Amino acid sequence: DAGVIQSPRHEVTEMGQEVTLRCKPISGHNSLFWYRQTMMRGLELLIYFNNNVPIDDSGMPEDRFSAKMPNASFSTLKIQPSEPRDSAVYFCASIGAGGNTGELFFGEGSRLTVL
Amino acid sequence: AQSVTQLGSHVSVSEGALVLLRCNYSSSVPPYLFWYVQYPNQGLQLLLKYTSAATLVKGINGFEAEFKKSETSFHLTKPSAHMSDAAEYFCAVRRGADGLTFGKGTHLIIQP
Repeated sequence: DAGVIQSPRHEVTEMGQEVTLRCKPISGHNSLFWYRQTMMRGLELLIYFNNNVPIDDSGMPEDRFSAKMPNASFSTLKIQPSEPRDSAVYFCASIGAGGNTGELFFGEGSRLTVL
Repeated sequence: AQSVTQLGSHVSVSEGALVLLRCNYSSSVPPYLFWYVQYPNQGLQLLLKYTSAATLVKGINGFEAEFKKSETSFHLTKPSAHMSDAAEYFCAVRRGADGLTFGKGTHLIIQP
């Protein structure tokens, strides 16, 4: 079975450029999460969706960040304009409707470097 | 609100020695607890989870964890460390339908 698929795996861009990260959750999973991982702050939840609807975006750093989930099999995280402090690994994770005991399944991550 | 604290950002053990990674939780409701492992340049992989069925939970790669309510702990152990165990380990608590809250992580170093 395919896991959570993220693209690109690596992205190097210059400050001010737009960055779009993509995620395909596991088929049948109804919740999707975007996390950011840095050395300083560890793993931070940015936003999560339930049945394609954004439920909590309180972790989104600022208005430069936006996320969408147009359908059950695709989500994007966009940064516009990007800044060097956005450099991090961004993870997408999904979970099925199995109640509170289910675990999150993570993608391999997208490593973003903003110069 | 649920949270977890991992004691020790780095733990170093010799190959063949006992591995003990500490995690304490704070939760106002019975917690669901998880241990994940992250190898370099990879995503997080589930090691084991506690869902109240049994206090001693066995996971993959010989790891296990014991839920102790009196100590609000969920420490991860492995009797004999292997070089391939070198990785970052994360303790996490389920926050209802809102996903997981992760600890800061513990970097496990295995000395030959």
